[in-house]
Amino acid sequence: GQQLNQSPQSMFIQEGEDVSMNCTSSSIFNTWLWYKQDPGEGPVLLIALYKAGELTSNGRLTAQFGITRKDSFLNISASIPSDVGIYFCAGLSGSARQLTFGSGTQLTVLP
Amino acid sequence: SAVISQKPSRDICQRGTSLTIQCQVDSQVTMMFWYRQQPGQSLTLIATANQGSEATYESGFVIDKFPISRPNLTFSTLTVSNMSPEDSSIYLCSASREGRDTQYFGPGTRLTVL
Repeated sequence: GQQLNQSPQSMFIQEGEDVSMNCTSSSIFNTWLWYKQDPGEGPVLLIALYKAGELTSNGRLTAQFGITRKDSFLNISASIPSDVGIYFCAGLSGSARQLTFGSGTQLTVLP
Repeated sequence: SAVISQKPSRDICQRGTSLTIQCQVDSQVTMMFWYRQQPGQSLTLIATANQGSEATYESGFVIDKFPISRPNLTFSTLTVSNMSPEDSSIYLCSASREGRDTQYFGPGTRLTVL
């Protein structure tokens, strides 16, 4: 099946720093989604990307749909303590309605 | 977006028993899905819950173990049957609307099997 390689697996950053994470695939995706999951909660949708090359922002978050349609990145600027959590990328391809999830990036923000 | 609730939020069950998890969406949706998330892992799709017909299961998941119902466009259930400790996971339902690829998730059901 399809696989998404998400990196880094974990990050420790100082409050106020910017952070970047990315996902790559050997397959083409038509949609890229980025989610955040807090402990004991379900994933919450942060950003949805529908077109190759698309760059979308949501507050301090910015995500891009790679032009090859095989990758996407998520940037968080000026991190704050509430940014702590696990970030997942997810992709949708072809006529399939099922999402393929990356392995997640555990973000820790140090005061 | 869609607001999704799940019941129960958590449960501790004995080996060999079954648990039915309910998923309720605040409005009609086209697609509903069930995922499993094992501790420290990513999400794995169990099945797509089809309204009015049998669910579509992913490789490694079977109807006898994970029977699913979807009687209408806002509600679905997942049963974890004949449970073993290996079934201890978070079970999540999600939903998406017609023509939209974005999926919204419920809060999850944390299941522990003793």
